[in-house]
Amino acid sequence: AQSVSQHNHHVILSEAASLELGCNYSYGGTVNLFWYVQYPGQHLQLLLKYFSGDPLVKGIKGFEAEFIKSKFSFNLRKPSVQWSDTAEYFCAVNGDYGGSQGNLIFGKGTKLSVKP
Amino acid sequence: GAVVSQHPSWVICKSGTSVKIECRSLDFQATTMFWYRQFPKQSLMLMATSNEGSKATYEQGVEKDKFLINHASLTLSTLTVTSAHPEDSSFYICSARKSGGNTIYFGEGSWLTVV
Repeated sequence: AQSVSQHNHHVILSEAASLELGCNYSYGGTVNLFWYVQYPGQHLQLLLKYFSGDPLVKGIKGFEAEFIKSKFSFNLRKPSVQWSDTAEYFCAVNGDYGGSQGNLIFGKGTKLSVKP
Repeated sequence: GAVVSQHPSWVICKSGTSVKIECRSLDFQATTMFWYRQFPKQSLMLMATSNEGSKATYEQGVEKDKFLINHASLTLSTLTVTSAHPEDSSFYICSARKSGGNTIYFGEGSWLTVV
């Protein structure tokens, strides 16, 4: 069965530190990949997505992610975090079957706390 | 760990009929549940925020009379697609926020196909 693993449950950083959140998936075929963020009290927002093309994807708010197919990974990065980045981050994956897609499967999320 | 169950996982219905999708938190209470839908090759779109005991808050462009959301208990929210049309065919997924905190858990999603 397909699955998505986010390695870190809770990450605590100081402002200006660099961030990397891990995401690995188990699926052998073509995938669509997403990172979402949920700020306290709000709904999910899309940070970035990868469907095809350049495996280095740039998203909003200075986030980027790199799809490494050989490692089944799609890690999220940000060079310098801010206090306002405190939120929960979710990696999600769809299997891509040409004209259709599989279930969207989420990782369990990584809580990021940024100390001012 | 906390589990959110969506039912049914797959449903096919005829145009003009209504279909109900349930989102149930199995081992925790959820004051707030979110309903999303995803079209192929797109990201999730928030449809509505459902708060237990009160009316759902719908996002702009989502027809509240067509997508009825009921959150009658702390463990169950339902989405009813009324008078379904083929363009309602989509992947619907819910998430639930554990009461008293910010932790979010996702259902496994429901595929709706309207023929």
